[in-house]
Amino acid sequence: DADVTQTPRNRITKTGKRIMLECSQTKGHDRMYWYRQDPGLGLQLIYYSFDVKDINKGEISDGYSVSRQAQAKFSLSLESAIPNQTALYFCATSSGGTGELFFGEGSRLTVL
Amino acid sequence: AQKITQTQPGMFVQEKEAVTLDCTYDTSDPSYGLFWYKQPSSGEMIFLIYQGSYDQQNATEGRYSLNFQKARKSANLVISASQLGDSAMYFCAMRERQAGTALIFGKGTTLSVSS
Repeated sequence: DADVTQTPRNRITKTGKRIMLECSQTKGHDRMYWYRQDPGLGLQLIYYSFDVKDINKGEISDGYSVSRQAQAKFSLSLESAIPNQTALYFCATSSGGTGELFFGEGSRLTVL
Repeated sequence: AQKITQTQPGMFVQEKEAVTLDCTYDTSDPSYGLFWYKQPSSGEMIFLIYQGSYDQQNATEGRYSLNFQKARKSANLVISASQLGDSAMYFCAMRERQAGTALIFGKGTTLSVSS
């Protein structure tokens, strides 16, 4: 089983729908992240959390919210999805130290 | 201003040849780390190599080496003896100590290896 698990892996939804992407990890890391990948733009940071009580906005947080339910779980929500939120979403964890990120397999979201 | 710049959208190399993927960075933090990740067509992100700003030697991991030129703020990835399986997107990323542990990524370079 993957150390960082994202669900769903693929989702197609319609404009205006609420969507939740879930991330769970077995690595025991305190730090969790959500990134978005668009073709030609690399990965952009949406939100990050250093522990259950610490949530921080990244560079593109508008239109997104997160919840850190436990050390191992970090969810990303789109309250009212729009087509330009169509992207590949990655959850990642790190333990600090060098800052190396351990990624989930990604969640591909399509908003019609 | 971009923190991480990868100027090569696409690179082409033949099997068994070496290839260099360019990365320049911009930071005023004296303590930072530089990373390279590989993303095959299957989509997963694979960590390749790390270089700390205070490391005296260039990092190496198997066929991967990082050509770290601190004064020029460059951190180029060198892949020796390219293989077909090296065809992928490659991302350079930076962590600034003052910014915590969130990585900032470049836009990536697509490497195509031909036989």
